[in-house]
Amino acid sequence: QVQLQESGPGLVKPSQTLSLTCTVSGGSISSGSYYWSWIRQPAGKGLEWIGRIYTSGATNYNPSLNSRVTISIDTSKNYFSLNLTSVTAADTAVYYCARVDRASELISYWGQGTQVTVSS
Amino acid sequence: IVMTQSPDSLAVSLGERATINCKSSQSVLYSSNNKNYLAWYQQKPGQPPKLLIYWASTRESGVPDRFSGSGSGTDFTLTISSLQADDVAVYYCQQSYTTPLWTFGQGTKVEIK
Repeated sequence: QVQLQESGPGLVKPSQTLSLTCTVSGGSISSGSYYWSWIRQPAGKGLEWIGRIYTSGATNYNPSLNSRVTISIDTSKNYFSLNLTSVTAADTAVYYCARVDRASELISYWGQGTQVTVSS
Repeated sequence: IVMTQSPDSLAVSLGERATINCKSSQSVLYSSNNKNYLAWYQQKPGQPPKLLIYWASTRESGVPDRFSGSGSGTDFTLTISSLQADDVAVYYCQQSYTTPLWTFGQGTKVEIK
């Protein structure tokens, strides 16, 4: 059974960098059948797609965050990461990592999500 | 593409029908394969979303048949034919037509009347 688990600081100061890791277990992150995404959800609000990464390292980002976001992947350690720079209170949200099936463009597995609060 | 759901919330009696609408600002129908790139998710408190319906009307494996999706182009509907207590949740539509940029609706909260 594939599992995804987000980890990282729950509190980040304004203007600093938010860094999260998604560790994948029960399957290889190197499979070319999937890509790996980050999605976030502010409290009481809807879902926002942040970006995705292929096993090749190629990435796509939401244009609204493009200049601040970087997603990377470590196939040897079976995890991928999110960095979001210059954070503000508007970046406070639950952050989810997810595995997406390339053929269907459907999310097959989600992490449980991790709350990140931006506050001084 | 902007996804707009209606209503924002609804209260339905147990066993009654619940209907949620989703409108996209442009068509999400791929003419090459005649598929609508529209999915519906259910989210309960403290949990990630769960996929219910994809390609507008295909039920995900294991999803009860009281959930159904319909529509094409820009207008879509999620119907719960007979609301159960376990269906209390927030429901989201999502388009993947403009992949890799996905967008979601704002969500519809379903409660028991």
